[in-house]
Amino acid sequence: GESVGLHLPTLSVQEGDNSIINCAYSNSASDYFIWYKQESGKGPQFIIDIRSNMDKRQGQRVTVLLNKTVKHLSLQIAATQPGDSAVYFCAELNSGGSNYKLTFGKGTLLTVNP
Amino acid sequence: DAGITQSPRYKITETGRQVTLMCHQTWSHSYMFWYRQDLGHGLRLIYYSAAADITDKGEVPDGYVVSRSKTENFPLTLESATRSQTSVYFCASSAWVALRGYTFGSGTRLTVV
Repeated sequence: GESVGLHLPTLSVQEGDNSIINCAYSNSASDYFIWYKQESGKGPQFIIDIRSNMDKRQGQRVTVLLNKTVKHLSLQIAATQPGDSAVYFCAELNSGGSNYKLTFGKGTLLTVNP
Repeated sequence: DAGITQSPRYKITETGRQVTLMCHQTWSHSYMFWYRQDLGHGLRLIYYSAAADITDKGEVPDGYVVSRSKTENFPLTLESATRSQTSVYFCASSAWVALRGYTFGSGTRLTVV
């Protein structure tokens, strides 16, 4: 979900469970979306992307779902591992507008309990 | 090594001093960006560049200056550092944003005392 106030939304899961992280994006003209993972003390790292002509895209242990009707994006992580603990945030791009400026969400902190 | 590197990794400076954060990428990416990351604000764009000698302001440019005389370098200068500029700064680059977005550096943690 999106952050409110000074604190990130948090999701705490048990190792081995599936995780679902949500993002509401802002621009109905956005046609390209990315999920980033940011571990403590590191820069954001690309996980997976999806274009607006798709509803679902799968990677290794990750799936991104896109619902354009309600402007919602989700990231599913299967069999969550301690190494998945990080902040996850979505980014959107309107490639027909300013086609190089991503708009970032504020992120969700995922904590995986062993 | 190929990639995007930021230096220094950590920096403590005094209020009023000028400080420059360095960013170097080895891919010849056209686009480069500077963000600051603060709790509660997420990533905020300071400046960006579409090519050498082309730069433009982002959403929080006040107090910062950039230059891009070479494609691979995009230094960020704080002309007169203030405590409100204490933050983690990330540089990013991209050849084609609609293909895998940006690649970020590891960040510079700047503390202004």
